[in-house]
Amino acid sequence: NAGVTQTPKFRILKIGQSMTLQCTQDMNHNYMYWYRQDPGMGLKLIYYSVGAGITDKGEVPNGYNVSRSTTEDFPLRLELAAPSQTSVYFCASIRRGEGNQPQHFGDGTRLSIL
Amino acid sequence: QKEVEQDPGPLSVPEGAIVSLNCTYSNSAFQYFMWYRQYSRKGPELLMYTYSSGNKEDGRFTAQVDKSSKYISLFIRDSQPSDSATYLCAPQDQTGANNLFFGTGTRLTVIP
Repeated sequence: NAGVTQTPKFRILKIGQSMTLQCTQDMNHNYMYWYRQDPGMGLKLIYYSVGAGITDKGEVPNGYNVSRSTTEDFPLRLELAAPSQTSVYFCASIRRGEGNQPQHFGDGTRLSIL
Repeated sequence: QKEVEQDPGPLSVPEGAIVSLNCTYSNSAFQYFMWYRQYSRKGPELLMYTYSSGNKEDGRFTAQVDKSSKYISLFIRDSQPSDSATYLCAPQDQTGANNLFFGTGTRLTVIP
């Protein structure tokens, strides 16, 4: 059971480039989340999804886009990379509707924009 | 005012010490209070959680919530070098999408 898988693990981008961070879960979870974690800061919610075809903004959505075409996948897109988007990005998921379930996290994507 | 305030540390203790980690929060609607542990270059993993006010014990770990003062604590007894990690408190919003509100995390080092 792989849990939440994020790819790539590391990436360096130039300013203005675009890329997609991939997130896949194999636990049949319906809710999925994207966070960013900056040094000395807590995790900040970027976007979340409560099911296929449904997404919503979190606390820091500017500069990002998401889609949820399947239950398993929740990619995060950066269209015009900026230095302020240098961060560690975490994807998480839960199965809502079965009591209070903890969010399961992937191991993150470390992104540097130069 | 931030939703959750947590002393970032770092905190360094000798092996066997009792560790106290604390957070305060502002939203009185929070009902679940999570503690996540994060090892270097890894994602957060749930350590334990409590519901409403009270204590919960799991082995060497005790989580405590005082909703009247909006204060969250995690105690680690007989600390071990393997406990060296960053500890994140995260109250949960039960409405909508079960969103978590993370503190900044406290970096703990247990010295053998």
